[in-house]
Amino acid sequence: DIQMTQSPSSLSASVGDRVTITCQASEDISNYLNWYQQKPGKAPELLIYDASNLETGVPSRFSGSGSGTHFSFTISSLQPEDIATYYCQQYGDLWTFGQGTKVEI
Amino acid sequence: QVQLQESGPGLVKPSQTLSLTCTVSGGSISSGNYYWGWIRQPAGKGLEWIGRIHTRGTTNFNPSLKSRVTISVDTSKNQFSLSLGSVTAADTAVYYCARGRNWGNLDSWGQGTLVTVSS
Repeated sequence: DIQMTQSPSSLSASVGDRVTITCQASEDISNYLNWYQQKPGKAPELLIYDASNLETGVPSRFSGSGSGTHFSFTISSLQPEDIATYYCQQYGDLWTFGQGTKVEI
Repeated sequence: QVQLQESGPGLVKPSQTLSLTCTVSGGSISSGNYYWGWIRQPAGKGLEWIGRIHTRGTTNFNPSLKSRVTISVDTSKNQFSLSLGSVTAADTAVYYCARGRNWGNLDSWGQGTLVTVSS
């Protein structure tokens, strides 16, 4: 099984800050890595697919990078509406989610 | 714009089988290159993938749940279903269905349904 290690588990930042979350895969998954945003009581929403591609309609302050086993997700300028939990997900072999990162202001 | 909606009992007794259905609208479940999957989330915890079925019928499951899970498709109703056997309180969670394009980009999700395992 491929394991995904996401960090940090939570973070607190100010409006306008740059926020970065990392995800490490236990095996090489090429670029088969997605990032989701989940707000309380809601289903997750796809933000970044294939490690670095912005899903249609998603603000450009969100970005992703990486390949192989190390990946990162960045919010360039944190906005109040970005308060949520973020998850990485690999699909290089079956599907696995990271543990999640709760972003607070 | 495809939409997904979960349905099924909200309460299941321990040792019984949890059964949920996901109804797909706005697109055919049997066309294209998609996976149709189930994901769950216990209260206050993270997402756990349960299993998936491809438009061509291939199924895959989370190894930790594989012995208890069945996923099937009813193309006449444009639905896919989850069965999870021998449930315990640890299976209490919000269950989501989702569509995976290009092998795993989960681009459409149901709203989720809470299933509680309790006597």
